[in-house]
Amino acid sequence: DTEVTQTPKHLVMGMTNKKSLKCEQHMGHRAMYWYKQKAKKPPELMFVYSYEKLSINESVPSRFSPECPNSSLLNLHLHALQPEDSALYLCASSWTSSSYEQYFGPGTRLTVT
Amino acid sequence: EDQVTQSPEALRLQEGESSSLNCSYTVSGLRGLFWYRQDPGKGPEFLFTLYSAGEEKEKERLKATLTKKESFLHITAPKPEDSATYLCAVHPDSNYQLIWGAGTKLIIKP
Repeated sequence: DTEVTQTPKHLVMGMTNKKSLKCEQHMGHRAMYWYKQKAKKPPELMFVYSYEKLSINESVPSRFSPECPNSSLLNLHLHALQPEDSALYLCASSWTSSSYEQYFGPGTRLTVT
Repeated sequence: EDQVTQSPEALRLQEGESSSLNCSYTVSGLRGLFWYRQDPGKGPEFLFTLYSAGEEKEKERLKATLTKKESFLHITAPKPEDSATYLCAVHPDSNYQLIWGAGTKLIIKP
């Protein structure tokens, strides 16, 4: 089973709201990723967790706050977002962070109004 | 500078008309090359990993090949359900993250 699940599928939030995106995998993978994807563009890496610790932050603004409660779960906390943050947010996982065969979830379509 | 270029940007084929998508890359050293399929509004679906020149992998109507400078995704007798954007990504020796191509949008007409 190579399934990564994400909730919610769609999210509309105002610029003053606080919301969270959730990701779960049960493949035993020890690396998990957050990507942002704009229309007609490839995914853009935001964060990498390796063995539940944040290993890479691609200079993402602090209004995005990742969290890895355990090896199967990954959250992305959102606060005070801007309209330009509207995008498809993708979670992915792989065996380790040096194993780049990544498996992606279906994504959360985020709209910031 | 590490770079990945996919061509064409878009490809329209009739059902059953075979063709190939190209992914050319310039990297200091290649750890792996990956092909993904992405349907609109969904996450990329992993298809293949290629590690060394001469390697080939097949899955249903798709076959991926690798040389020292490029990879091809051959599609044989495509069906409308093969319509999607196909993304190529490279993991270079010099970088911890994937370098993505812009994708090829494939449209198969019945």
